[in-house]
Amino acid sequence: QSALTQPASVSGSPGQSITISCTGSSSDVGGYNYVSWFQQHPGKAPKRVIYDVNKRPSGVSNRFSGSKSGNTASLTISGLQAEDEADYYCSSYTSSYTYVFGTGTNVAVL
Amino acid sequence: EVQLVVSGGDLVQPGGSLRLSCAASGFTFSSYWMHWVRQAPGKGLVWVSRIKFDEITTSYADSVKGRFTISRDNAKNTLYLQMNSLTAEDTAVYYCATGSPTIDDYWGQGTLVTVSA
Repeated sequence: QSALTQPASVSGSPGQSITISCTGSSSDVGGYNYVSWFQQHPGKAPKRVIYDVNKRPSGVSNRFSGSKSGNTASLTISGLQAEDEADYYCSSYTSSYTYVFGTGTNVAVL
Repeated sequence: EVQLVVSGGDLVQPGGSLRLSCAASGFTFSSYWMHWVRQAPGKGLVWVSRIKFDEITTSYADSVKGRFTISRDNAKNTLYLQMNSLTAEDTAVYYCATGSPTIDDYWGQGTLVTVSA
């Protein structure tokens, strides 16, 4: 159950778009459409922003979008805003009936 | 309003045991899968365990299998995590979260478990 691989940090200027990758294997990301993305601000509980690869929970801004190709999932944040500065984690269901999170990505708004 | 209130975190010695509770309100607890997720200080999220609404079907991360036991009491709207043979590597904030069945939108506030002599 190795963690999914994410870049440690991504940055962008307000209004720009950024993309965070999440690389796993055919036993997790590539094998199921059960990839979620979570946003976590310091000292707070995580908040789900994408589920089932590309679906947005009610109330989540449409600036957040998800996709998947092979064993890699991606989260794109468009129109970057100061409030988007946070840590982001991907998560996937696995073939072992378990779940695995990504290593986490810190998003900085310059 | 949906609430998940986590309790039971404490300082415990290596080899010791602890039981965490997650009290749910504001939704039909018995209809949801439930998960435990932990986060070591300054580190990332780690999935720990989940239990189906049937109170029977469970799964665990390899790192806790055989030491931790997840359970729930649907009559009391409460989720539990019994943690035995604790080591320093188990030091973390522990969150409970709802699932459908994947981890979804409702999370508890977390409780800190510190394993240290």
